[in-house]
Amino acid sequence: AQSVAQPEDQVNVAEGNPLTVKCTYSVSGNPYLFWYVQYPNRGLQFLLKYITGDNLVKGSYGFEAEFNKSQTSFHLKKPSALVSDSALYFCAVRDDTGGFKTIFGAGTRLFVKA
Amino acid sequence: NAGVTQTPKFQVLKTGQSMTLQCAQDMNHEYMSWYRQDPGMGLRLIHYSVGAGITDQGEVPNGYNVSRSTTEDFPLRLLSAAPSQTSVYFCASRPGGTSGSADTQYFGPGTRLTVL
Repeated sequence: AQSVAQPEDQVNVAEGNPLTVKCTYSVSGNPYLFWYVQYPNRGLQFLLKYITGDNLVKGSYGFEAEFNKSQTSFHLKKPSALVSDSALYFCAVRDDTGGFKTIFGAGTRLFVKA
Repeated sequence: NAGVTQTPKFQVLKTGQSMTLQCAQDMNHEYMSWYRQDPGMGLRLIHYSVGAGITDQGEVPNGYNVSRSTTEDFPLRLLSAAPSQTSVYFCASRPGGTSGSADTQYFGPGTRLTVL
């Protein structure tokens, strides 16, 4: 069965420091992996996805994520955090067998302090 | 394009009342879904549709009905509201087809529902 784990409920970083939001997954086939961001009182917005190819994926707003097949991880990273990055981040996975369902993690709240 | 739209934005119901949450998309997407978001639980799939006239249950379907008479619209009906259905509801859509698994989902702004 598919599953996604985001082990941290909250991540706190200082503005200008690098940030990492962790995600591990489990799927039957090859994974399609996604990161979404949710700002207060808004719907989810797509950040980036891994389908195939390079393990380092670049996305919106300077975010990137590294796919690690052996560790079944897809951690979200940014070299220099901004206060405006403070939001709720969701990791999601879908398998490549043609299944419909996308499984979301519980979410990690990122707080960037000025 | 308006993308995915949802109405209403907020709703308060009394236990036992029924209502319909509206969702529409103008991107000609085949796949549409309803999720509920609860603190600490992420998004859980309620119902989904892979095309007009085709719907199926997700993880938490009890107490909800859906229909898909057109490609654009995918309403969610609460049959008899219960306090456990207090949540934020999101509608999402994405393209379908053979490469559909790789496609990004587009989310509506959400409906915040409180059941007293």
